[in-house]
Amino acid sequence: GESVGLHLPTLSVQEGDNSIINCAYSNSASDYFIWYKQESGKGPQFIIDIRSNMDKRQGQRVTVLLNKTVKHLSLQIAATQPGDSAVYFCAETIPYSSASKIIFGSGTRLSIRP
Amino acid sequence: DTAVSQTPKYLVTQMGNDKSIKCEQNLGHDTMYWYKQDSKKFLKIMFSYNNKELIINETVPNRFSPKSPDKAHLNLHINSLELGDSAVYFCASSHGSSGELFFGEGSRLTVL
Repeated sequence: GESVGLHLPTLSVQEGDNSIINCAYSNSASDYFIWYKQESGKGPQFIIDIRSNMDKRQGQRVTVLLNKTVKHLSLQIAATQPGDSAVYFCAETIPYSSASKIIFGSGTRLSIRP
Repeated sequence: DTAVSQTPKYLVTQMGNDKSIKCEQNLGHDTMYWYKQDSKKFLKIMFSYNNKELIINETVPNRFSPKSPDKAHLNLHINSLELGDSAVYFCASSHGSSGELFFGEGSRLTVL
């Protein structure tokens, strides 16, 4: 079946510390994975992506790790800031006809302690 | 300029009514989507259109009927609204089969 992620948990992090958000996926056909950030009252926004032929990708303050053996993704945010407060979703992309079927995980709420 | 815009942003209506949500994107993308986000923040795909053609229909009740007059627009019409239809509906677009979605701000539907 299609199942990405866990029930919505909350991660509380001290400002300035690193954050690690985890996600599990179940579809072996998924070939592309994306992390999205959703701030309150807004739509999800792309943060970083990774293809299934990679195991690590770095962006500005963010790193995504992919472990295909255990079907696990993680998002690492360095030096967490108040503006990082949001719900974070992992998403897997499954090739489907002329489009892509993009399945979202259930999200993790990140809150920042001052 | 807003890349993906949805109207209305808020919609409050009675059970049994029919309502529509409109979506437009000015990104030149050829694929558009509707997602439903429930109160627990779970985002579930409903429909996907590519160049005005329905590609994905995720076992959504027949009361939901998407319409794409052109590749820049994807509207969602809902008949006979039920309490369980209350949610935030997000429109999104992407370039071809790219998994990078550009979302609208959402339309919060409340059915009383």
